[in-house]
Amino acid sequence: AQSVTQLGSHVSVSEGALVLLRCNYSSSVPPYLFWYVQYPNQGLQLLLKYTTGATLVKGINGFEAEFKKSETSFHLTKPSAHMSDAAEYFCAVSALPAYSGAGSYQLTFGKGTKLSVIP
Amino acid sequence: NAGVTQTPKFQVLKTGQSMTLQCAQDMNHEYMSWYRQDPGMGLRLIHYSVGAGITDQGEVPNGYNVSRSTTEDFPLRLLSAAPSQTSVYFCASSSAGTGGGYTFGSGTRLTVV
Repeated sequence: AQSVTQLGSHVSVSEGALVLLRCNYSSSVPPYLFWYVQYPNQGLQLLLKYTTGATLVKGINGFEAEFKKSETSFHLTKPSAHMSDAAEYFCAVSALPAYSGAGSYQLTFGKGTKLSVIP
Repeated sequence: NAGVTQTPKFQVLKTGQSMTLQCAQDMNHEYMSWYRQDPGMGLRLIHYSVGAGITDQGEVPNGYNVSRSTTEDFPLRLLSAAPSQTSVYFCASSSAGTGGGYTFGSGTRLTVV
């Protein structure tokens, strides 16, 4: 079984400040990890993903995340927050179907972190 | 390229009514899924499909039915709506080669009174 914990349901940062959204996962098999962003009244958009290879992953809009196996973490960062970054962010985990027993990649989501950017 | 299209965007049902939420994708993706989103709960998987004619249950399947007769379409049926099914529903699709990088539709906001 897999699970995701996002620390902080609501995070506020000042415009231009560092954004750090925390995600810890639990998985008994090699995980695939994702960050999605949801703007108000919209669907989810993939920000970035880690499957294999380089543990520092760069995504869209200047975001990046680092997979740390020893810490079971996949925190999302951005050096300088913009007003347009205000949204809800979801961390998710999946695994190769051969490992998970499911017929396909199935995402398990965290409960989300709402990011507010203060002018 | 439309991506994943969900209809309707909004719906109000009375308890006991049935309805179908439509989902279509034009990316020839093998995998399709339905999620529900409730405040503070994240997204939870209802049903999923790995290809035409093949479906399976997710985390919260009770009260919902699915079928997949074509690659493009994956409708979700509410058999007898209950207030507990008030939620925002998202359909998503993925290619087998993306490792779970799903493309999401814009959602259907359903209220059951």
